[in-house]
Amino acid sequence: NAGVTQTPKFQVLKTGQSMTLQCAQDMNHEYMSWYRQDPGMGLRLIHYSVGAGITDQGEVPNGYNVSRSTTEDFPLRLLSAAPSQTSVYFCASSRTDPGANVLTFGAGSRLTVL
Amino acid sequence: AQSVAQPEDQVNVAEGNPLTVKCTYSVSGNPYLFWYVQYPNRGLQFLLKYITGDNLVKGSYGFEAEFNKSQTSFHLKKPSALVSDSALYFCAVRSPDTGRRALTFGSGTRLQVQP
Repeated sequence: NAGVTQTPKFQVLKTGQSMTLQCAQDMNHEYMSWYRQDPGMGLRLIHYSVGAGITDQGEVPNGYNVSRSTTEDFPLRLLSAAPSQTSVYFCASSRTDPGANVLTFGAGSRLTVL
Repeated sequence: AQSVAQPEDQVNVAEGNPLTVKCTYSVSGNPYLFWYVQYPNRGLQFLLKYITGDNLVKGSYGFEAEFNKSQTSFHLKKPSALVSDSALYFCAVRSPDTGRRALTFGSGTRLQVQP
């Protein structure tokens, strides 16, 4: 039972480079989301999706793109990396039936932009 | 807008002593409240949640939390701390009315349990 799988675990980029952080879940969760974690700031929502073909912006979406072509996958794209995007990124998923559904988090992807 | 405050960056407690990690929140309407724990180089793990009902909520690993509506607080507690409880703890809130289901997290409190 893999849960939420994120790749890569670590990545170093140069300013201006592009990359994609991968997220896959095997729990048939409709809701998927990306958060970034920065020291002293908790986690902040970047983008989210409530189902295949549907995405929306969170609190800090600038510089990031997402797509949701399947229920299982929710990749996060950085088109032109900036040092301010140095962070730890977490993918999380949950059901969407009514109620306080618990988010299941991946192990995180640590990104450094030089 | 919803927000969470965790006023203590770090809490130190001796093993066997009771522990409290504080959390206050602001949200329109009735809140959904959560506690998550993060061990080094790991993702967040769910501990417990409050939706409605009994103000004292019991969760994983012997943790519990008390919802206090008048003080808008949701403090995490454990009667007897273990060294293995040392980790980073996050309180989170969301309104049940938002379609984005976005959790707003506090800045985290590092719990250090000394042997």
